[in-house]
Amino acid sequence: AQTVTQSQPEMSVQEAETVTLSCTYDTSESDYYLFWYKQPPSRQMILVIRQEAYKQQNATENRFSVNFQKAAKSFSLKISDSQLGDAAMYFCAYRKGGSEKLVFGKGTKLTVNP
Amino acid sequence: DTAVSQTPKYLVTQMGNDKSIKCEQNLGHDTMYWYKQDSKKFLKIMFSYNNKELIINETVPNRFSPKSPDKAHLNLHINSLELGDSAVYFCASSASGVNEKLFFGSGTQLSVL
Repeated sequence: AQTVTQSQPEMSVQEAETVTLSCTYDTSESDYYLFWYKQPPSRQMILVIRQEAYKQQNATENRFSVNFQKAAKSFSLKISDSQLGDAAMYFCAYRKGGSEKLVFGKGTKLTVNP
Repeated sequence: DTAVSQTPKYLVTQMGNDKSIKCEQNLGHDTMYWYKQDSKKFLKIMFSYNNKELIINETVPNRFSPKSPDKAHLNLHINSLELGDSAVYFCASSASGVNEKLFFGSGTQLSVL
């Protein structure tokens, strides 16, 4: 079974600084997709960024970028120029190719200090 | 307009009762889901429906019965509620294709007393 591990239950960062959230996953599949979701206190789940496993290039969305290391099965999220609105729970998620099922990690709570 | 809406947002009830949570999406998506988020924030899929057909049933107790009257709606009915059912339940939808992102509703916080 696929598993997703987020080893940092909590992280904090100063406003305008950069922070990296870690995620590793376990799979024997070659076709899969990886995601980072944000859950602010409002509870709404918001997709931050996604990566197709077959793409070597790391995905980037404005201040958010990933470091996808396929051999190491690592998928970290880097947030640059952190803003107060980035404070939230961040969930890493995995989806096997051809499957509807999204497997989540346990989340990392990010605090942004002014 | 809200893309995925679920009602109610909060639900407080006694053990043993039966309750329903409704979900509707106006995105024209084919696939809908129910996820459960426990008190430790862990999110796990419960069910997935594609065009009203059950695709995924993740070893959820029989007390939980999803119903999809049409592809825009996926309701969750829970019989004989137990204390351990207390959680936040999220409805979500996606277009066809496994790379399509999920759109989540705002969640229903269920508290069983």
